[in-house]
Amino acid sequence: GAVVSQHPSRVICKSGTSVKIECRSLDFQATTMFWYRQFPKQSLMLMATSNEGSKATYEQGVEKDKFLINHASLTLSTLTVTSAHPEDSSFYICSAPMGPTNEKLFFGSGTQLSVL
Amino acid sequence: KQEVTQIPAALSVPEGENLVLNCSFTDSAIYNLQWFRQDPGKGLTSLLLIQSSQREQTSGRLNASLDKSSGRSTLYIAASQPGDSATYLCAVDSSNTGKLIFGQGTTLQVKP
Repeated sequence: GAVVSQHPSRVICKSGTSVKIECRSLDFQATTMFWYRQFPKQSLMLMATSNEGSKATYEQGVEKDKFLINHASLTLSTLTVTSAHPEDSSFYICSAPMGPTNEKLFFGSGTQLSVL
Repeated sequence: KQEVTQIPAALSVPEGENLVLNCSFTDSAIYNLQWFRQDPGKGLTSLLLIQSSQREQTSGRLNASLDKSSGRSTLYIAASQPGDSATYLCAVDSSNTGKLIFGQGTTLQVKP
């Protein structure tokens, strides 16, 4: 079946560094990908919609200059957390819809980011 | 603005019990509703997808119902097992794009 591969699964970094997270659709083309964030004991909150070949659409309250999204190909979307701070520590996960009505959703395995 | 609420936040039951998890949403104009399972620190596993025109879906020991007009869904787990211990998330798609609004989840513990 269709798979979305997300890397890395875990990142520990110092405050001020930038971290890139990749999501790759392995056997289907994903013109759209969604990026979610999950703080401990909270639910997943949509951060942005990544669109192949165009700018991402960010949800209210999400800083586009801090969370850079690039969707340069039909199989790869990246989320870069720039100048990460401890409050950015969270679980980040992507999903990609497939099918004419987008009801088939495939999720990456998630990235646990810890900023020291 | 669509909001999804799950009750209870946590549930602990002895092995073998049948249980019901609840999900409610404020805007009934949805395309579909999904139930997911999430294990600690892991991604999501899709359990059941109910289209807006459907009333329920079944998979093995799981049965999910949808009452769109009242904004409610339930996930019924029969004969619970310790391996069912996880967080269960309910999510709705109100835009038919795959963009989901999630509930806060119910963390289930099934004790042997």
